[in-house]
Amino acid sequence: GAVVSQHPSRVICKSGTSVKIECRSLDFQATTMFWYRQFPKQSLMLMATSNEGSKATYEQGVEKDKFLINHASLTLSTLTVTSAHPEDSSFYICSAFSGDTEAFFGQGTRLTVV
Amino acid sequence: GQNIDQPTEMTATEGAIVQINCTYQTSGFNGLFWYQQHAGEAPTFLSYNVLDGLEEKGRFSSFLSRSKGYSYLLLKELQMKDSASYLCAVRDSNYQLIWGAGTKLIIKP
Repeated sequence: GAVVSQHPSRVICKSGTSVKIECRSLDFQATTMFWYRQFPKQSLMLMATSNEGSKATYEQGVEKDKFLINHASLTLSTLTVTSAHPEDSSFYICSAFSGDTEAFFGQGTRLTVV
Repeated sequence: GQNIDQPTEMTATEGAIVQINCTYQTSGFNGLFWYQQHAGEAPTFLSYNVLDGLEEKGRFSSFLSRSKGYSYLLLKELQMKDSASYLCAVRDSNYQLIWGAGTKLIIKP
């Protein structure tokens, strides 16, 4: 089946630094990818929709200058958390649809800001 | 507004059957998804319904009634490894997924 690969799986960074998370569709092309954030014991919260070759669409309340999204190719989208703070610590997950009926998720990235 | 409701937590016995319900109110409907998520891991796809009726896939089945805004996930022959959160999501008219808060399923021996 289709595979979405997300890297890194875990990252610890210092406050004020930036972290880049990559999401790749390995065996299909994804014109659209989705970035989610998940706090412990809560459901997924859509942060933004990443569109290949154009600007991402951010959900209300998500700072586009803090969470930079780049979708430079049909198989790669990146999320950069800039000037990270401890409150940005969370589980970040990307997903993409292969066809119309099944969304595949990356493995997720556990970000800890110290 | 858009809303997905599912129970917060359910408990069942190994070998038994459990039904997890999901009701939704969304702006448009383009399919309903069920995902399984183990703690600390990303969700994995279980099922997709876009037409009314029952979709069966091994031990798991999913049912949809669009007129009632209702779906359920049925898990048979429960195994300990089925202990996880089960997420219901509806794709709305903008083709965005609206997620329920998830149902934590606890399987007891």
